[in-house]
Amino acid sequence: AQSVTQLGSHVSVSEGALVLLRCNYSSSVPPYLFWYVQYPNQGLQLLLKYTTGATLVKGINGFEAEFKKSETSFHLTKPSAHMSDAAEYFCAVSVRAGNMLTFGGGTRLMVKP
Amino acid sequence: DSGVTQTPKHLITATGQRVTLRCSPRSGDLSVYWYQQSLDQGLQFLIQYYNGEERAKGNILERFSAQQFPDLHSELNLSSLELGDSALYFCASSEWGATSYNEQFFGPGTRLTVL
Repeated sequence: AQSVTQLGSHVSVSEGALVLLRCNYSSSVPPYLFWYVQYPNQGLQLLLKYTTGATLVKGINGFEAEFKKSETSFHLTKPSAHMSDAAEYFCAVSVRAGNMLTFGGGTRLMVKP
Repeated sequence: DSGVTQTPKHLITATGQRVTLRCSPRSGDLSVYWYQQSLDQGLQFLIQYYNGEERAKGNILERFSAQQFPDLHSELNLSSLELGDSALYFCASSEWGATSYNEQFFGPGTRLTVL
């Protein structure tokens, strides 16, 4: 069975600072990896995904993530935080197309002015 | 807007009652997933339907059931409700096919409060 661990349930950064949200996964087969964002009182929106190919994946709103198989990691980064980035971020794994998503516990990102 | 709709948006009910949550997937999506988001359990997969048939089951209680109808909308039925069933219930839908990478589009959720 697959699992996802997100280190840090809360992360606080200053506006303009680097955003780094950590995600480690466990999977017995090559995984599909995802980052979703949830704004208050809203559903989940896909930020980016890794399926196959290039290990550095670019997503919406300036976010990117790098799949590192040797470290079983898929950390999310953004060079410069914006106030509008304040939200909860979920890393998820799936083991094949059409399969369910297994989510991490989420990381709440706070951005200080 | 993801194209997935869920009704109702909010539901307040009492312990022991039964409720039905409804989900309409994006146009053309054959697969529907239900997830529960609660403070203590986080985001958990409940059940998946594909073109009317149950495809996969997760941590779904026996008091809960779901179905997908010929028009592809889905309903999640929760019965004998307990306080601990209070949560946000999400529906997601996805395409199916050789190029499907399991990108799931989520609805806005139904917030269930059991008093």
